[in-house]
Amino acid sequence: DAGITQSPRHKVTETGTPVTLRCHQTENHRYMYWYRQDPGHGLRLIHYSYGVKDTDKGEVSDGYSVSRSKTEDFLLTLESATSSQTSVYFCAISVDREGGYTFGSGTRLTVV
Amino acid sequence: GQQLNQSPQSMFIQEGEDVSMNCTSSSIFNTWLWYKQDPGEGPVLLIALYKAGELTSNGRLTAQFGTTRKDSFLNISASIPSDVGIYFCAGQVRGATNKLIFGTGTLLAVQP
Repeated sequence: DAGITQSPRHKVTETGTPVTLRCHQTENHRYMYWYRQDPGHGLRLIHYSYGVKDTDKGEVSDGYSVSRSKTEDFLLTLESATSSQTSVYFCAISVDREGGYTFGSGTRLTVV
Repeated sequence: GQQLNQSPQSMFIQEGEDVSMNCTSSSIFNTWLWYKQDPGEGPVLLIALYKAGELTSNGRLTAQFGTTRKDSFLNISASIPSDVGIYFCAGQVRGATNKLIFGTGTLLAVQP
């Protein structure tokens, strides 16, 4: 199994503060993705990466930035957290060319 | 942004019953996938479909890639309590970035 870990698992933060979520993989996969999950919306793509320093926006990228300085780490940053960014965030890696993703266990973020 | 229409939103059934759910899109996909999410975890791939009309089984699960390439179906036979969770469909237009578009999810509850 592809090793993928997210940290932290839970976080509560105040409106207006910056927050960084980390996704770490152990198997050198090229493609990595950040999704958010909200009731009634399923999983929506925030940003994705197709290599070191190569990233692009997904459908709900406003208010988020990402960085990938090493193959194994993909960071998601909320520059100034808002209550609308309260959500569960999932990182995923693409493990083969046929579309299968492996997901991390998620980070539950609450912005108060 | 693009999103898949998944139905039903939720199902509450008795153990032993069969379950059907489906996913439709206004766009054509090259790949359809079905995932299951247990509480507190990330989604896990159940079945992948790569060809229009394809019918694939995984134990008690059977999924079909619609002939129009705009829909997919998942059936679960003889449900058991551990089938409880959220089921997501996902579609992919195969390309360099392997991005997946997810459905809104079907919450399945199984009463023993």
